This record gives sequence, C-alpha cells and structure tokens, in this order.
Amino acid sequence: DAKTTQPNSMESNEEEPVHLPCNHSTISGTDYIHWYRQLPSQGPEYVIHGLTSNVNNRMASLAIAEDRKSSTLILHRATLRDAAVYYCILTRAGNQFYFGTGTSLTVIP
Amino acid sequence: SQTIHQWPATLVQPVGSPLSLECTVEGTSNPNLYWYRQAAGRGLQLLFYSVGIGQISSEVPQNLSASRPQDRQFILSSKKLLLSDSGFYLCAWAQGLAHTDTQYFGPGTRLTVL
Repeated sequence: DAKTTQPNSMESNEEEPVHLPCNHSTISGTDYIHWYRQLPSQGPEYVIHGLTSNVNNRMASLAIAEDRKSSTLILHRATLRDAAVYYCILTRAGNQFYFGTGTSLTVIP
Repeated sequence: SQTIHQWPATLVQPVGSPLSLECTVEGTSNPNLYWYRQAAGRGLQLLFYSVGIGQISSEVPQNLSASRPQDRQFILSSKKLLLSDSGFYLCAWAQGLAHTDTQYFGPGTRLTVL
C-alpha cells in the first residue's frame, strides 16, 4: 500500500511562507499527489494536486521531488485562515486512497 | 454551481439502534460518490464508493452498508450501531476518475454512539 508520512504539527508566523513536507517513498508511477486541508468540524477542502511537475494555483504551490518520493506544499504568505490540518494524499486508479496523518498548522499572529 | 448536502449535522444514538445518514449532490449528474469516516484526531478512512445507481463498493468490512437509490443520493446505514461507529462521517463527490480528479466534501455528520 502506498503510504504518506507528515509531521504532526507545524507553526508559522503570519505573512511568512510555510513549507509543509510529505514523504511517500512507496509511490507508484501513476499515483497522483493531492493536498487537502480541514478546519475543525468541517469537511476537507481541496488545495492542489500534481503528478510529476510542480504546480501552482491561487491557493498554494506544490513542489514534487524528481524521484517523486516526497513533495512539499508551499503557502506563500500564511494567514490566520490557513490554520488547519493539511492532508497529503496519494490517489491511485481503482478508487484507492491513502491518507497521511495530516499536519496541524498553527499560524501565529 | 455544485453543492453537496449532508444530514443530519449531528446525531446521538444508543448502541444497537439503527442508522441512516443521507447525502445529496446538486448541480451535477452521474458523480462518483464516497463515504468516509474520521475518528477523533485521526485521518480519513474510505468506507464506500459508488460509480452509479445501485453500484456500491466497500473498502472496509464492518456493520455499515451504503446504498445509492438515485443518481445524486447516497445513503449510509446500519442495522445495529456499535460504540466504535462514533465519528465524523463525510460524504464526497467527484466528476470522473477520482484519482485524477478533485473530491468535494460535504459538511459532515457528527455521530456519537452511547
């Protein structure tokens, strides 16, 4: 099974960049890397996803290692609204999903 | 635009009682539908998914079942709840193959079994 590993928690000062790491050493060639975030008592919200190349959208950037065994979600300027649990997820054909334990991000004003 | 609804928002049930949680999606047709459970302080566990009416795939054997009586309706049920069924239940939808596509989650149902 493809497994992801993330730090349990991280802190960031407001308006500074945040780099959230994820290890997925058993990733296979066709697995996609998705990131979602979840606020307390809410459903997860999509952040970004990618396969091999780095990706950017209005919320964040995703940097994928050349060997694809790790990736980093980058929030360019953390705001208080970015405080959430961030999940790194590998998705595989056949509706197989492998969720990490998530990183709880605290943003310090 | 698409929206996903879940109800009830919270539920407290005694052990051994039945369960029915409902999820509906608006603004799209033929979505893939998913049920997840999240235990306190844990990640998401995929329980069931459906690619069409009457088509249910189970990921984790347990005393829960799922049904899809209509294209945009997904129901999670149990005949007899266990204490271990407590958790946060999330419904999600995706258009097309979810491993390449984005999943959109509902607001969730908080279930407490006493």
